[in-house]
Amino acid sequence: EDKVVQSPLSLVVHEGDTVTLNCSYEVTNFRSLLWYKQEKKAPTFLFMLTSSGIEKKSGRLSSILDKKELFSILNITATQTGDSAVYLCAGLQWAGNNRKLIWGLGTSLAVNP
Amino acid sequence: EPEVTQTPSHQVTQMGQEVILRCVPISNHLYFYWYRQILGQKVEFLVSFYNNEISEKSEIFDDQFSVERPDGSNFTLKIRSTKLEDSAMYFCASSYFVAEAFFGQGTRLTVV
Repeated sequence: EDKVVQSPLSLVVHEGDTVTLNCSYEVTNFRSLLWYKQEKKAPTFLFMLTSSGIEKKSGRLSSILDKKELFSILNITATQTGDSAVYLCAGLQWAGNNRKLIWGLGTSLAVNP
Repeated sequence: EPEVTQTPSHQVTQMGQEVILRCVPISNHLYFYWYRQILGQKVEFLVSFYNNEISEKSEIFDDQFSVERPDGSNFTLKIRSTKLEDSAMYFCASSYFVAEAFFGQGTRLTVV
């Protein structure tokens, strides 16, 4: 059964802390791993990782994929209250024209001032 | 910046009624999707649509569900006879090729 597991489920930190969010996956016909930030409503795309070992960065956020060990991490440095959100990880399953995202449950991050 | 738009943002309907959720994907995108998220649960894949036909659907997407792209711009999800367990946030997404980078803001469906 395809699955994506995120840990921790919930995290509370103080502003300025660095956090690491984990995502492990077992997805058949795996193509890529995607990270999204979900605040009030829609998931907002953060990163797509297709190659192993290549770090992607966007400001204080960075992410890397390990296709041998089947996991990815999302790092957020110098956290701010605006980083409070649910961070979702999803595996992109792709076979022919059939493509879909297999989602994790998310990590709920609360950053306190 | 291009965006996927969904209407309505919230709909309350009586059990057994039909609902149509509407989405306007980004104009040059080729793949269209519906996902749903029941409160407190995972985002779940419902259906993908490519080249004017369903390319894949999940076990959730039974005969009560249908999708259409009636006029080349709108992408609709119809639930024929709603059940209480259909209450969820429904997200539309579109992509040009690689992956679903663009999600709509969602329609919250409440079935009473």
